[in-house]
Amino acid sequence: KAGVTQTPRYLIKTRGQQVTLSCSPISGHRSVSWYQQTPGQGLQFLFEYFSETQRNKGNFPGRFSGRQFSNSRSEMNVSTLELGDSALYLCASSLGRGMNSPLHFGNGTRLTVT
Amino acid sequence: GQQVMQIPQYQHVQEGEDFTTYCNSSTTLSNIQWYKQRPGGHPVFLIQLVKSGEVKKQKRLTFQFGEAKKNSSLHITATQTTDVGTYFCAGRRRDDKIIFGKGTRLHILP
Repeated sequence: KAGVTQTPRYLIKTRGQQVTLSCSPISGHRSVSWYQQTPGQGLQFLFEYFSETQRNKGNFPGRFSGRQFSNSRSEMNVSTLELGDSALYLCASSLGRGMNSPLHFGNGTRLTVT
Repeated sequence: GQQVMQIPQYQHVQEGEDFTTYCNSSTTLSNIQWYKQRPGGHPVFLIQLVKSGEVKKQKRLTFQFGEAKKNSSLHITATQTTDVGTYFCAGRRRDDKIIFGKGTRLHILP
């Protein structure tokens, strides 16, 4: 079974731009969650989608948004990029929602904002 | 901010020594999961603990969930070079939000 696929692997953007990241979950997984990983803050929860609905949201500004499609694929969008948004963005899929089952992580998208 | 304290942040051990990392939450958790992330890799699921006082073993790894469901530990017996990586705990709060410890980076000295 194919794992979680995130595209692109690397992105370089400038301040003020916006970016869209994509995540394809493991086949059959209906929950997709997104995380920001930085050396200083570690892993931080962004949001979770299940059956095309946002079920939970972390403490990030409204510039961070996402959506999930009927095939469970998910996208995350960050608008008006700031230098502090430079990070590794990981998505994870799972069978059930809310961390009731193991999270399967993708390899991440490394975003650099200059 | 971070609501799960994980200690230590770094640990260097000689190969064959034991290793323990601890997670302490300010709030009661519904469950806790542990993940391992190798350098340059992504987190990989190790175990899930749900019940108060639960203890689970996987070969040389022992996981515990505290009685109050606020703390957890991972103990590795007789470390090997393959144990190198960062170990994270992840907890689900009562409001369903997921919180992570910052991780303990384990270095093995040959």
